[in-house]
Amino acid sequence: GAVVSQHPSWVICKSGTSVKIECRSLDFQATTMFWYRQFPKQSLMLMATSNEGSKATYEQGVEKDKFLINHASLTLSTLTVTSAHPEDSSFYICSARGPSRGGPVIRNEQFFGPGTRLTVL
Amino acid sequence: GDSVTQMEGPVTLSEEAFLTINCTYTATGYPSLFWYVQYPGEGLQLLLKATKADDKGSNKGFEATYRKETTSFHLEKGSVQVSDSAVYFCAVINEKLTFGTGTRLTIIP
Repeated sequence: GAVVSQHPSWVICKSGTSVKIECRSLDFQATTMFWYRQFPKQSLMLMATSNEGSKATYEQGVEKDKFLINHASLTLSTLTVTSAHPEDSSFYICSARGPSRGGPVIRNEQFFGPGTRLTVL
Repeated sequence: GDSVTQMEGPVTLSEEAFLTINCTYTATGYPSLFWYVQYPGEGLQLLLKATKADDKGSNKGFEATYRKETTSFHLEKGSVQVSDSAVYFCAVINEKLTFGTGTRLTIIP
């Protein structure tokens, strides 16, 4: 249980185009989803937190107009990288919090997707 | 803000060797501490956690003890297996999760 998927697993695009990455919680309802970015040999850096039905909260230094986040349902969040440039090339990872299946919610536990590798040419 | 410093990799060990991956943290208050593991091609999975000082988290033969006096949460396993090859992340949470840089572990038969 508590599986999170991401699609696509990798994408290559031209500079100036937009790319959408999907994050789905497959077997639980996630009221909160998180988007991280990971550079080679570096930590996961939190980009934004999204709660279903409300606007995402972005971390300092993350451009909200460039990284559009939509969390329209309890099982789906999307990250759109608009007008991508080579410096946006990175590994993007989402996570979802709280398997809510009628039992107690496990506090603070997040379930992570496998990540999406974005390469902008 | 919070920060996590963990042992730089890569680490290569022979099967059945003893493993230690060091992790220290800086955080305010009384955070919870985690070790996550990422197997090739998969997402991060929670390996173990500890929520207060002197707690010991354990799972799959791995252990880590929350040491508030040394602000450490070192990961240990007495006898590693080839299947333990993965990237290991130490993390701390107050308002949000803060990760270390990850340590790539390779176990050779």
